[in-house]
Order: sequence, then structure tokens, then C-alpha cells
Amino acid sequence: QVQLQESGPGLAKPSETLSLMCSVSGASIRSTSHYWAWVRQPPGKGLEWIATLYYSGTTYSNSSLESRINVSVDTSRNQFSLHLRSVTVTDTATYFCARHMRAAVSCLDFWGQGIQVTVS
Amino acid sequence: EVVLTQSPGTVSLSPGERATLSCRASQTVSATYLAWYQQKPGQAPKLLIYATSSRATGIPDRFSGSGSGTDFTLTINRLEPEDFAVYYCQLLGRTFGQGTKVEMK
Repeated sequence: QVQLQESGPGLAKPSETLSLMCSVSGASIRSTSHYWAWVRQPPGKGLEWIATLYYSGTTYSNSSLESRINVSVDTSRNQFSLHLRSVTVTDTATYFCARHMRAAVSCLDFWGQGIQVTVS
Repeated sequence: EVVLTQSPGTVSLSPGERATLSCRASQTVSATYLAWYQQKPGQAPKLLIYATSSRATGIPDRFSGSGSGTDFTLTINRLEPEDFAVYYCQLLGRTFGQGTKVEMK
């Protein structure tokens, strides 16, 4: 069974860089069949796609966040990460990592439980 | 960029009734890339439907999806107590609609 688990600080200060990690088990992040993604959800609001990445280093980012984010893959640890620079209170959200069913434009079939991040 | 608009924002129904949720795209899109998710409070979204009408693994057949062009529908027949949740449509693995809450009447 594919499982994803987010980790990182639950609290960040304004202007800092938020760094989150997603650990994958039950599947190889080097799979040529899947892309991986970050999604967030502000309290009481809807879902917002952040970025999609492939083990080779190919990435796609939400244009509204592109200038502040960096995503990468660590194939040796079967993990991928999100770094969000210059955070503000509007970045307060639950952050989810997920797996695309197939290509980067496919749906998200497995999700982590989410990690709540507060910027204050 | 395509915008997805879901309606209604909230629908109040009783167990056993049918829920019909709409997702409208701002321009014609490929049905191959339209998905639906269910989210319960405090949980991650769960994939229900992909490619407009294909049920994900383990999803009961009371959930069905349809549509084409700009108009897509998620239908939940015979609502069960565990179906009361928020439902999101998604396009191209990225753009989400704003969600429809199915609440118990």
C-alpha cells in the first residue's frame, strides 16, 4: 500500500523559509509511471495545487507561488521536499503531499495525512 | 487558465436521497483529466472519480461521474451517512473547484 507522510515544523515566522518533507513508502519515487505533488488548504478554505515534480528533476509550479518555491526529490531517501520562501500569514495552511496516478496532468490517487503549518 | 466553478456551494439532503453536484469549466476541457475528490473534516482528500467517470479503487458504485465539454457532474445515489462531506472537482491534476458541501438535512 502506498503511503505518504509529511514532516516539518508546525510553526514558521513571517519572512522565513518553510521547509517540508514528504516520505514515501510502498512505492518508489524513481518510478517512471508517477509524478508527485504538493497541495495546500488554508483553514476553512479549498484546495490549492502548489507544485508537481518528477524524480528526474522536472517540476511544474503554481504561477502564483513560483517565485517563492523550490521543490526537489531525494531518490536515495525516497522523499521529496518543498521550500517556500518569505512566508506570510497567508501561507498558513495544511500542506499535503500526494502522488499523481500517472502523468503530471493526472489525478492524485494517494495523499499524505497533511501537516498543519501556522505562520505567526 | 481554466477556472472550475462548482455548484451549489452547499446542499442539504437526507440519507437515502440523491446528490447531484456540478462542476463547470470556463472553457472546453478534456474529460480525460477531470477528477472528483471527497474530503471529510480533518482528513486528506480522497480520490473518488477520475477521467470524468471512472471510479477509483474501492469506491462504491453509488458514486458516478459524467459530463463533457464544460459541464461535469458527480452523482451520489442513495446517500449514506458517511457520504456527508465536501466534494471537489479537479482538472489536469492541478486546478481545483471551490468545493460543494453535502450536509445532512
